[in-house]
Amino acid sequence: SQQGEEDPQALSIQEGENATMNCSYKTSINNLQWYRQNSGRGLVHLILIRSNEREKHSGRLRVTLDTSKKSSSLLITASRAADTASYFCATDAQGAQKLVFGQGTRLTINP
Amino acid sequence: DGGITQSPKYLFRKEGQNVTLSCEQNLNHDAMYWYRQDPGQGLRLIYYSQIVNDFQKGDIAEGYSVSREKKESFPLTVTSAQKNPTAFYLCASSPTTDSYEQYFGPGTRLTVT
Repeated sequence: SQQGEEDPQALSIQEGENATMNCSYKTSINNLQWYRQNSGRGLVHLILIRSNEREKHSGRLRVTLDTSKKSSSLLITASRAADTASYFCATDAQGAQKLVFGQGTRLTINP
Repeated sequence: DGGITQSPKYLFRKEGQNVTLSCEQNLNHDAMYWYRQDPGQGLRLIYYSQIVNDFQKGDIAEGYSVSREKKESFPLTVTSAQKNPTAFYLCASSPTTDSYEQYFGPGTRLTVT
């Protein structure tokens, strides 16, 4: 079952620009997480935001959560070539002891 | 990739053969997970385990089997019953299933011909 859906599926921007990715989900959650995956590698956890939080920052990352709209956004500021990767949101349906991942946004940063 | 190792990185098998993918963690995590990823897609949960000698089916368990005899090891067997086994397989762990951040291994790319 696909809980999270990312938008856009692919995003290409110039180095230094900001990148925004969105995630929508269907059921109530305890928290939402964002992960990064470089090509052919495992996923790396970026940030977790709880259902009672609206915004969270970590370095150049800013995540927002709107539980009324069942959506989240990930903003990467001042992008770098090394940010080129796929980004996934993951949610835990309340009561479930597992994560459900979206299909991801493929981000390309052009030098 | 933290303290999770998966081996081998690439695996080739003939159709009809069972194959076992290794996943080992030295993080002392209770929970472990197996995901399948197809090209351009997200992750789908195959099996997960919350404690030793216990595991639960995920969303796509058919054609797969697991064991959890030791806390640090969670091998996945792809059986001949799996209709489309070629994929990228990712193992993950977390301190408990209530600790939602998951730590991933580097993955094993399985090709069955």
